[in-house]
Amino acid sequence: DTGVSQDPRHKITKRGQNVTFRCDPISEHNRLYWYRQTLGQGPEFLTYFQNEAQLEKSRLLSDRFSAERPKGSFSTLEIQRTEQGDSAMYLCASSHTGGGDRELFFGEGSRLTVL
Amino acid sequence: GENVEQHPSTLSVQEGDSAVIKCTYSDSASNYFPWYKQELGKGPQLIIDIRSNVGEKKDQRIAVTLNKTAKHFSLHITETQPEDSAVYFCAAAETSYDKVIFGPGTSLSVIP
Repeated sequence: DTGVSQDPRHKITKRGQNVTFRCDPISEHNRLYWYRQTLGQGPEFLTYFQNEAQLEKSRLLSDRFSAERPKGSFSTLEIQRTEQGDSAMYLCASSHTGGGDRELFFGEGSRLTVL
Repeated sequence: GENVEQHPSTLSVQEGDSAVIKCTYSDSASNYFPWYKQELGKGPQLIIDIRSNVGEKKDQRIAVTLNKTAKHFSLHITETQPEDSAVYFCAAAETSYDKVIFGPGTSLSVIP
């Protein structure tokens, strides 16, 4: 088990461009979460999935943000028409609702810089 | 929605001393309170959690207390070591399955 992996680890883009982040959760984890973290702040909840179903989407997530988990395994988070305020670390986490550990396991994040 | 506040934002202690971080939450429906540690360049990692049917839980040098009536919970680290230096986040959720709402974090520095 290699843990939660995120790609890319760093992304620098110009304002107005679209970016996409990928998250591969721990295998057999049915829940997947996206958080955003800015410097000196705690992770802010964006959205989460159970298998391929998106259970909740935060009001923080504007129409420019979309997340998918098409086959209930990996997930993508797309940001369209990026703005400087989108610069942040985007964290993915996964968990399992069955028996055993139910904690969130986080990846190391994808850092976005919008110029 | 849930709002979690955390104090202090920064904390420096001498090695071997104790550190205490305090949090409050707003949603009485919250029943699960995890604590995460984040080291530089890494994602947060769970260090301990407590559920609302328990008032206190201890794991080696770490203990958490919960006062559900007052909506307060705290993290206590005893005999601090330099490797305890990190950012600590308290959090709250309705259950361990639900979305977790994090506090703003406490940056702990343990001075050798």
